[in-house]
Amino acid sequence: GAGVSQSPRYKVAKRGQDVALRCDPISGHVSLFWYQQALGQGPEFLTYFQNEAQLDKSGLPSDRFFAERPEGSVSTLKIQRTQQEDSAVYLCASSLRGAVNTGELFFGEGSRLTVL
Amino acid sequence: GQQLNQSPQSMFIQEGEDVSMNCTSSSIFNTWLWYKQDPGEGPVLLIALYKAGELTSNGRLTAQFGITRKDSFLNISASIPSDVGIYFCAGHNYGGSQGNLIFGKGTKLSVKP
Repeated sequence: GAGVSQSPRYKVAKRGQDVALRCDPISGHVSLFWYQQALGQGPEFLTYFQNEAQLDKSGLPSDRFFAERPEGSVSTLKIQRTQQEDSAVYLCASSLRGAVNTGELFFGEGSRLTVL
Repeated sequence: GQQLNQSPQSMFIQEGEDVSMNCTSSSIFNTWLWYKQDPGEGPVLLIALYKAGELTSNGRLTAQFGITRKDSFLNISASIPSDVGIYFCAGHNYGGSQGNLIFGKGTKLSVKP
């Protein structure tokens, strides 16, 4: 597709459930990022892939969060045993370049997670 | 960790007015970027700045990369209704395994009632 596609757009989970959020980046983009955006805040970095390699996962808040990009294109962010504080919009972004990443990111519309 | 302070947090605009917002950091960045986010959408890149002191324009938008590399401002001239939204500054240091952007908390632009 023309842009970054995320699904689902909205997800309601009961506390303790596992969720999986999908990101389909722009075709050919080397870098892929996941960000978490709480209500009224700016996006906060979670993790970064260059092709299939996860080069930085320093932003993942706990070991309940796991991300993968096995073939260097589609990525999945998985949250296990969801808690209320996980409620946020999860944004995926991609960038054409790899090692010389300029910070020019193309964002998807986000997946809004609500944990009850 | 690194934090960016954006001001003002919110502002009301009347069509035709000029708007100014800025962003400061406790640490230096190699790149400053400005993004705009509309409700229910992801942020969209407006302007990217790569050199200290650089002044760049994109239509009615003008942004500058501070000489100390710790600040940036964004000006919008002759605002129009579609300028409403949330503007985020972001700092970036490229290279190596660290590819992430650090975002400010945003400046919310609304139409003056």
